[in-house]
Amino acid sequence: QSALTQPRSVSGSPGQSVTISCTGTSSDVGGYNYVSWYQHHPGKAPKLLIYDVNKRPSGVPDRFSGSKSGNTASLTISGLQAEDEADYYCCSYAGSYTLVFGGGTKLTVL
Amino acid sequence: EVQLVQSGAEVKKPGESLKISCKGSGYSFTSYWIAWVRQMPGKGLEWMGIIYPSDSDTRYSPSFQGQVTISADKSISTAYLQWSSLKASDTAMYYCARYGGNYYHYWGQGTLVTVSS
Repeated sequence: QSALTQPRSVSGSPGQSVTISCTGTSSDVGGYNYVSWYQHHPGKAPKLLIYDVNKRPSGVPDRFSGSKSGNTASLTISGLQAEDEADYYCCSYAGSYTLVFGGGTKLTVL
Repeated sequence: EVQLVQSGAEVKKPGESLKISCKGSGYSFTSYWIAWVRQMPGKGLEWMGIIYPSDSDTRYSPSFQGQVTISADKSISTAYLQWSSLKASDTAMYYCARYGGNYYHYWGQGTLVTVSS
C-alpha cells in the first residue's frame, strides 16, 4: 500500500488557477470513484474539500473542483486567494475499508 | 453537531506505554468507522488503521500492523490508539477521523505525542 504521488509544491498568483495531480494505481485511484481531497493548515485539523472524485461538501466554495482520469485524480483551485495557501492531500479508497493518502502538496500563493 | 475530541498532548520517554483517546459526540458512535492518521514532523498524512466501534472490527495499514493497537469502548463513545513501547520515531501528531462514505468529513483536533529521553 504505497502513498499516492503528488507534486511536492505548486504555486500561483491571486486570481489564477492551479491544478494538483494525484497518481495512484488500478488498486486505488483507478479502481474506485472514491477520491477525496483535504486542505491542511499547520496546527489545524484537515478539512474535507472534495469527496467521491468531484463532489463538494456544503460550505466549500465552487472554486475547488475535482476530476479523475484513469489512475490520476486532480484538484483544481480557481480564483486563488491568499487563504488558500496550505498543504493539500489526496486520498483514495483501496478496498476493505482501507484508505491511502498522497504525499501532500504545498500550495504557495505568490 | 458532530465532534471528535482528542486527549491532550503527551511527552513520554522511549520504552514507555501510551494510550490516547478520541471521543465522539453528536452522532451515533457505533454507526461509523473511526480512523487514526499520523503526521510526523514535516511529513504528510499517513493512514494508520480503522475501527468499527459497534463490533471492534479493526483494519491496520501494513506499515502500522503490530506497532500500535486500535480499540474502542462504545459505552463511552471513545476510540483509542495505544503503544506498548514508544520509540523516538513515534513522535508525531495523531488525528482521529470519522469515516463515512469513503472519506473523512469530521476530524479530531489532533494529539501531539513527543517521545524523547
